[in-house]
Amino acid sequence: GNSVTQMEGPVTLSEEAFLTINCTYTATGYPSLFWYVQYPGEGLQLLLKATKADDKGSNKGFEATYRKETTSFHLEKGSVQVSDSAVYFCALRRGAQKLVFGQGTRLTINP
Amino acid sequence: DGGITQSPKYLFRKEGQNVTLSCEQNLNHDAMYWYRQDPGQGLRLIYYSQIVNDFQKGDIAEGYSVSREKKESFPLTVTSAQKNPTAFYLCASSIDVWDSLYGNTIYFGEGSWLTVV
Repeated sequence: GNSVTQMEGPVTLSEEAFLTINCTYTATGYPSLFWYVQYPGEGLQLLLKATKADDKGSNKGFEATYRKETTSFHLEKGSVQVSDSAVYFCALRRGAQKLVFGQGTRLTINP
Repeated sequence: DGGITQSPKYLFRKEGQNVTLSCEQNLNHDAMYWYRQDPGQGLRLIYYSQIVNDFQKGDIAEGYSVSREKKESFPLTVTSAQKNPTAFYLCASSIDVWDSLYGNTIYFGEGSWLTVV
């Protein structure tokens, strides 16, 4: 079946550090891939997405590239801010099937 | 502004009681979903609906019920049969349940915290 594996958290970084949150997936065919962000006490917000191999999704300084050969969709940001502290979820969706989430990675940025 | 509205934000329930969580969307989306999130964990699908008067069980439907009488509304009832209902509940919607070549995005509400006391 389809599944998503994220790097385990929590991840703690200093402000302006480089961020990578790893995400790999298992799926048949060509799923669409998503990163969602959840701020404390809130729902999920779509951060970025990619729908086919080699696509790069980007938003708010975050980027992720759909790598079919390595079945990965790692999230990166060159310089994180305190306001980026949140839980990040990688997810995939294939056809009419449900959205499958990873377990989430909690990110804390210290000033 | 278009979006998904969930209410109440916080709800306390006594054991043995049923409670209903409201979800309303004005995005003109056909598909709606309910997810459950437990602390430190990912999301699990409870129910989803592709169209009015239709809904399907997700992975953890036991102890829950839904209705879809209007396109805009998809209320979730947490029944007394749900053994461990304390969780964060998220409602979501999308244009339709099918993924398109353009990545059919699912949008989420702000969530409702349910605590059993």
